[in-house]
Amino acid sequence: DSGVTQTPKHLITATGQRVTLRCSPRSGDLSVYWYQQSLDQGLQFLIQYYNGEERAKGNILERFSAQQFPDLHSELNLSSLELGDSALYFCASSVASGALTQYFGPGTRLTVL
Amino acid sequence: DAKTTQPTSMDCAEGRAANLPCNHSTISGNEYVYWYRQIHSQGPQYIIHGLKNNETNEMASLIITEDRKSSTLILPHATLRDTAVYYCISTRGSQGNLIFGKGTKLSVKP
Repeated sequence: DSGVTQTPKHLITATGQRVTLRCSPRSGDLSVYWYQQSLDQGLQFLIQYYNGEERAKGNILERFSAQQFPDLHSELNLSSLELGDSALYFCASSVASGALTQYFGPGTRLTVL
Repeated sequence: DAKTTQPTSMDCAEGRAANLPCNHSTISGNEYVYWYRQIHSQGPQYIIHGLKNNETNEMASLIITEDRKSSTLILPHATLRDTAVYYCISTRGSQGNLIFGKGTKLSVKP
C-alpha cells in the first residue's frame, strides 16, 4: 500500500460526458502528479501540482483539467469524453516538487463507450 | 533527454536471482538511474535509485557501471509476485516528470 488513494476504481461512461477522478496523496506529500496509461501510449505524464499550484504540464489535452485543493487532495476533470480517453489514470505523490521518487495510487480505470 | 534501452522480456526461475539490464549511454553526470515496476495494471512501484555507487535496499540491488552507461537491477531471490514490467528511468522530462519507456516484462516461473 503506497498510501496514495484514488477514487473511483472503475468508471464507465459515454462519449461526450464529463467525469472527475479524485486522488489523496500520502500524508506529508505536497506534490501530486497525474499520469495516463493507455494500451498504445504507455505511461504518459499529464500534469503536476505542488501545494495547490500547477507546476508542470505534460501531454494533457485541453479537455482535461486538474486542481489541487488546500487539503492537498487533487481532482482530474475529463470532459467531452472520447473513446480514445479510455485508459488507466494514475495519481502519484512526492514530498518535493519534481521529485523522481514518486508513490503511485492504484489507479482509476476509465471506460468510455 | 537521456534514453534507456531495456530488453523487452526476460524469464527467471523462482528462487533464482533476476538480473535486469539497462543501457543509458547518454546519461549526464548529475542524472540518477531510477527503477520502478508495475505489476499487472497496478500503480507503478518505486524500487531503487542511484547515481554512481551501487545501492541496496530491502527490495533490490542496483549495480551501476563505472562509466555509468549501464546498470543492472538485481532481485536476489525472485518470487512469483515479482512478475511485472520493470522500468529503468535515467532522466526527468523537460517538465521534471518521470519518463516511462516500454520496460522489461519479467516473468518468474515456478
